[in-house]
Amino acid sequence: AQSVTQLDSQVPVFEEAPVELRCNYSSSVSVYLFWYVQYPNQGLQLLLKYLSGSTLVKGINGFEAEFNKSQTSFHLRKPSVHISDTAEYFCAVSFSGGYNKLIFGAGTRLAVHP
Amino acid sequence: KAGVTQTPRYLIKTRGQQVTLSCSPISGHRSVSWYQQTPGQGLQFLFEYFSETQRNKGNFPGRFSGRQFSNSRSEMNVSTLELGDSALYLCASSSGQGSDGYTFGSGTRLTVV
Repeated sequence: AQSVTQLDSQVPVFEEAPVELRCNYSSSVSVYLFWYVQYPNQGLQLLLKYLSGSTLVKGINGFEAEFNKSQTSFHLRKPSVHISDTAEYFCAVSFSGGYNKLIFGAGTRLAVHP
Repeated sequence: KAGVTQTPRYLIKTRGQQVTLSCSPISGHRSVSWYQQTPGQGLQFLFEYFSETQRNKGNFPGRFSGRQFSNSRSEMNVSTLELGDSALYLCASSSGQGSDGYTFGSGTRLTVV
């Protein structure tokens, strides 16, 4: 069975500091990987996705993620965070060859402090 | 390009009632998926419709049902509401391929009292 684990439920960080949000997945088939962000009382916004090819994926708002097949990880990084990055971040997988079904991690709440 | 539209944004219902939520996908998208988000269970997949056919279903009781119309708009129905059905219900629009990004609506916040 496929699953997604976000290793940190909360990550506090100071403004302009770097941040890494960790995500590991488990799957017996090839997967597509996604990171979404959710601001309060909003839906989910796609930050970036990995389908195939280069393992370093760049997304919106200065975020990037690296796919590591051997460690089954897809960690999200940003070199310098802003107050406006405070939000909930979700890692998700779907299955290549499968139908549209996303399996989400539990989420990581990023709190950026001045 | 207009985004995914979910209506209504907020709903308050009483236990035992039923409710219908609506989702209009991005123009040209033929797939609509529904998710339930709660503090305890997180984001859980309900079902997915593609060209008016349910292609995939999550582990929810039969009280949760949906349908898709020929214009790709989708509705989700919950009958005999329970307090535990209080949640944010999110709809996701896609062209239908698993490799596409999924565009989410702002959700419908359902409160059951």
